[in-house]
Amino acid sequence: DAGVIQSPRHEVTEMGQEVTLRCKPISGHNSLFWYRQTMMRGLELLIYFNNNVPIDDSGMPEDRFSAKMPNASFSTLKIQPSEPRDSAVYFCASIQGATYNEQFFGPGTRLTVL
Amino acid sequence: GEDVEQSLFLSVREGDSSVINCTYTDSSSTYLYWYKQEPGAGLQLLTYIFSNMDMKQDQRLTVLLNKKDKHLSLRIADTQTGDSAIYFCAERRNQGGKLIFGQGTELSVKP
Repeated sequence: DAGVIQSPRHEVTEMGQEVTLRCKPISGHNSLFWYRQTMMRGLELLIYFNNNVPIDDSGMPEDRFSAKMPNASFSTLKIQPSEPRDSAVYFCASIQGATYNEQFFGPGTRLTVL
Repeated sequence: GEDVEQSLFLSVREGDSSVINCTYTDSSSTYLYWYKQEPGAGLQLLTYIFSNMDMKQDQRLTVLLNKKDKHLSLRIADTQTGDSAIYFCAERRNQGGKLIFGQGTELSVKP
């Protein structure tokens, strides 16, 4: 299995532009998580889906952020408009089941907003 | 509070033991985890412990859980330079798959 796939790996954009981050979870996994990692705030859970349905989006910082999971094999995290304070590494993770199972993390997307 | 807390840095000599500590907040947490993050990579699960256990050993790794004090530790025996990374503890609360992570401890292993 290729693991969790994220694209792009690096994104540099200018303030005000729309940014779309993509994630393909491991086949057969039924929960998907979006995290943001910064030096100041550490690793924060933004939103997670179970069976493609958003369960908890309390970590989404504001209305500029939105996430979708149209099917079991694809999710997007969109920022519109982007701001310099959105610069971070964004991780996607997936798990199978709802017990102790390991969350498998993708390699992350490093976002820089100028 | 809501935070899972860890010390930010730890430096050890190669061959020594490393002990990374963590305090968590929710006594109802079911599972507690240790993840490792190498530079430029995502997080990788090292080990986990169920809340009704006191200790778990896995090769060079020993996890100790003090549920009364909500204290978790990870001991790495015979620490190697390849163990240099950031180590995160996380608690799983009774809310599906949601994990709450600490801020990470950067372990530096000097030859």
